[in-house]
Amino acid sequence: KQEVTQIPAALSVPEGENLVLNCSFTDSAIYNLQWFRQDPGKGLTSLLLIQSSQREQTSGRLNASLDKSSGRSTLYIAASQPGDSATYLCAVIMDSSYKLIFGSGTRLLVRP
Amino acid sequence: GAVVSQHPSRVICKSGTSVKIECRSLDFQATTMFWYRQFPKQSLMLMATSNEGSKATYEQGVEKDKFLINHASLTLSTLTVTSAHPEDSSFYICTPRKQGVRETQYFGPGTRLLVL
Repeated sequence: KQEVTQIPAALSVPEGENLVLNCSFTDSAIYNLQWFRQDPGKGLTSLLLIQSSQREQTSGRLNASLDKSSGRSTLYIAASQPGDSATYLCAVIMDSSYKLIFGSGTRLLVRP
Repeated sequence: GAVVSQHPSRVICKSGTSVKIECRSLDFQATTMFWYRQFPKQSLMLMATSNEGSKATYEQGVEKDKFLINHASLTLSTLTVTSAHPEDSSFYICTPRKQGVRETQYFGPGTRLLVL
């Protein structure tokens, strides 16, 4: 059974820092991996989608990497801003059914 | 990006009542709809998958007679929580899948249910 773990559970950093969020999964036979952002009481916003054949994806200040063989993904946020404060979720898709298996999230606080 | 709406956004009800949550994909047709729930300070868990015009497939541990899913059209799916109890209080999110396209999931804004 696939299990997705995110470390750390919470993170507080001063504005401007670069930071890394970690995601690990137990079954490496994934279809793809996705990073989301969730603001308090709100739905999800997709940040980056990495296909199983890809190693990384970039969007603005965000960079996500994927190492399937070791069951790991990282989300790198450059020059963090207070507006980046949110919970970041990673999720894996195991097959073409597109069912998502989520990690428990990392709650990020960027202090002004 | 695609637009997905959910209604209501928030509902408070008494124990024993039924609550219907609507999910609409406003600018694309969704042959498949996923329903997730999120308990406080926990991650999202898939409840069920529905395909337009057929019965939903429920994940292990989710009672199909309690959580009724109807996916009658390509743009509308409903989740009815029957005889709701306080333990059903959660954040419910729908995710319609765009027909025939392998791409990012589009999530509804969620419905927060509080059962007193």
